[in-house]
Amino acid sequence: AQSVTQLDSHVSVSEGTPVLLRCNYSSSYSPSLFWYVQHPNKGLQLLLKYTSAATLVKGINGFEAEFKKSETSFHLTKPSAHMSDAAEYFCVVRTDSWGKLQFGAGTQVVVTP
Amino acid sequence: IAGITQAPTSQILAAGRRMTLRCTQDMRHNAMYWYRQDLGLGLRLIHYSNTAGTTGKGEVPDGYSVSRANTDDFPLTLASAVPSQTSVYFCASSDGTANTGELFFGEGSRLTVL
Repeated sequence: AQSVTQLDSHVSVSEGTPVLLRCNYSSSYSPSLFWYVQHPNKGLQLLLKYTSAATLVKGINGFEAEFKKSETSFHLTKPSAHMSDAAEYFCVVRTDSWGKLQFGAGTQVVVTP
Repeated sequence: IAGITQAPTSQILAAGRRMTLRCTQDMRHNAMYWYRQDLGLGLRLIHYSNTAGTTGKGEVPDGYSVSRANTDDFPLTLASAVPSQTSVYFCASSDGTANTGELFFGEGSRLTVL
């Protein structure tokens, strides 16, 4: 079975500093992995996805993630945080070919001036 | 604007009452899903439908039912609401192909059961 674990429930960063959100996955085969973002009182939006092509995946708003099979990780990074990055972020693994997803518990990101 | 429409956006409901959350998509996606979001638990799948006329149970299906009479609509029904069903409910859809796997989400329905 596929699953993901987000290692931090809350991350606080200063504006202009790097952001790192950690995610480990468990899968018996090469997984499809995603990062979704949820701004307050909004639905979820896809940030980026890994589907066994390039291991470094670039997404929207300057985010990127690197798939590391040896570490079973898919950490999300951004070089310089912006106030608008304050949101909840979910690491997600696809569990079947129809698109069913398993969500991590989420990481709440706070950006301070 | 194309996408997923959910209704109502918010509802307060007495325990024991029946409630249907509506979900409509205009992207002609085959697959649709209902998730509930609770603090610290992320999103958990309630029910899903891979194509019109078929449905399946997700991780937390008890107390909920769905139907998929056509491609566009996927209502979620709580036959007799209980306080533990207080949550934010998200409907989502995908094209169901292996090429994307991306889900498109509605903006959620906040349900409070008293």
